[in-house]
Amino acid sequence: EVQLLESEGGLVQPGGSLRLSCAASGFTFSSYAMSWVRQAPGKGLEWVSGVSGGGGTTYYADSVRGRFTISRDNSKNTLYLQMNRLRVEDTAIYYCAKDSLSGRTAEVDYWGQGTLVTVSS
Amino acid sequence: DVVMTQSPLSLPVTLGQPASISCRSSQSLVHIDGKTYLSWFQQRPGQSPRRLIYKVSNRDSGVPDRFSGSGSGTDFTLQISRVEAEDVGVYYCMQGTHWQVTFGQGTKLEIK
Repeated sequence: EVQLLESEGGLVQPGGSLRLSCAASGFTFSSYAMSWVRQAPGKGLEWVSGVSGGGGTTYYADSVRGRFTISRDNSKNTLYLQMNRLRVEDTAIYYCAKDSLSGRTAEVDYWGQGTLVTVSS
Repeated sequence: DVVMTQSPLSLPVTLGQPASISCRSSQSLVHIDGKTYLSWFQQRPGQSPRRLIYKVSNRDSGVPDRFSGSGSGTDFTLQISRVEAEDVGVYYCMQGTHWQVTFGQGTKLEIK
């Protein structure tokens, strides 16, 4: 059974940093691309960032490029999202998501339970 | 970016009646590999999204057969043949053909 377990989010001041992690199990982690998708309170889904199965290729939404860094440790079956220079508008539930492809995000098939990140002073 | 436009945004339906959600893309979703990366997700209240349909019309394991997907190019539809109470939630289409991945705005299905 595929399981994706995000680390706890939290409250961060504007301009601050936070690192999210996602522990994966139930599948061969290194064989699949992974993504982070977020959902602001009461709003729709927004894809944030993706990484290929091998970790060599990363992708970012324009809204976070230059501030967020996605990475993965295939030896630990863990996905990360380092978030720097956080803004109020980054407040959202962040979901870890598995893709059905290896090279890029194209078909998300499983989602974690999500973790709330609140950016506020 | 490819814009995904869903309609309607609100969908009140009587139990047992059919429902249909449209998703239109600003560009063709046919990838150079010949496949169309259009998926549908259901998000029940307070839950994570769950994929229902991938590559336009392929139903995921465990998804009731009252859900079906169709379409091609830029025009896609999710149909529910007979709405049940457990179908309440928000439905999203997502394209993965073009970079960046984009979602529709969501369609909120409620029981009338």
